Amino acid sequence: QVQLQESGPGLVEPSETLSLTCVVSGYSISSGFYWTWIRQPPGKGLEWIGTIYHSGSTYYNPSLKSRVTISVDTSKNQFSLKLNSVTAADTAVYYCVRDRGSYDPWGQGTLVTVSS
Amino acid sequence: EIVLTQSPGTLSVSPGERVTLSCRASQSVRSNYLAWYQQKPGQAPRLLIYGASSRDTGIPDRFSGSGSGTDFTLTISRLESEDFAVYYCQQYGSSPYMYTFGQGTKLEIK
Repeated sequence: QVQLQESGPGLVEPSETLSLTCVVSGYSISSGFYWTWIRQPPGKGLEWIGTIYHSGSTYYNPSLKSRVTISVDTSKNQFSLKLNSVTAADTAVYYCVRDRGSYDPWGQGTLVTVSS
Repeated sequence: EIVLTQSPGTLSVSPGERVTLSCRASQSVRSNYLAWYQQKPGQAPRLLIYGASSRDTGIPDRFSGSGSGTDFTLTISRLESEDFAVYYCQQYGSSPYMYTFGQGTKLEIK
């Protein structure tokens, strides 16, 4: 059974960098699929942030591209998100997902609040 | 970018009723690469339907998806209490990679 678990600070100060990691269990990232980050501001809808393949190829939402970096560490079977120069508008629940076009499974999500 | 518009925004229905949710795309979705998700409060979304009409593993058969091109629907044949949630559609047919979600439809108890 494939499971994903997000981890990282729950509070980030404005202008700083948000950093999250997603550990995958039950499946080797090196075996295939794409791996994606999605976020959901409180009370709002879902937004695709970006996607990485195990080879390291990345795709980013154009609206976030200048601030986002997604990387993969196959030795640890995990992938990571960095979002720099954050503002209050980046406050959201961040999800990592396995990407087969459709998204399944999802991590439980982690709330990141941007505030001083 | 393909924009997905879901309607209605909110639907008030009673258990046992049949409901149909709509998802309209601003341009044709390649190969009907459209998925539906259910999200309950405090939980991550759950994949219900992929490829416009294929139920994911373990999804009850009261959920069905249909449509092609720019118009897609999710039908719940007989609403049960656990079905009251927010439903999102998502397209994954665009190239280069730029997958998008609809804004969601909330099913609430009448």
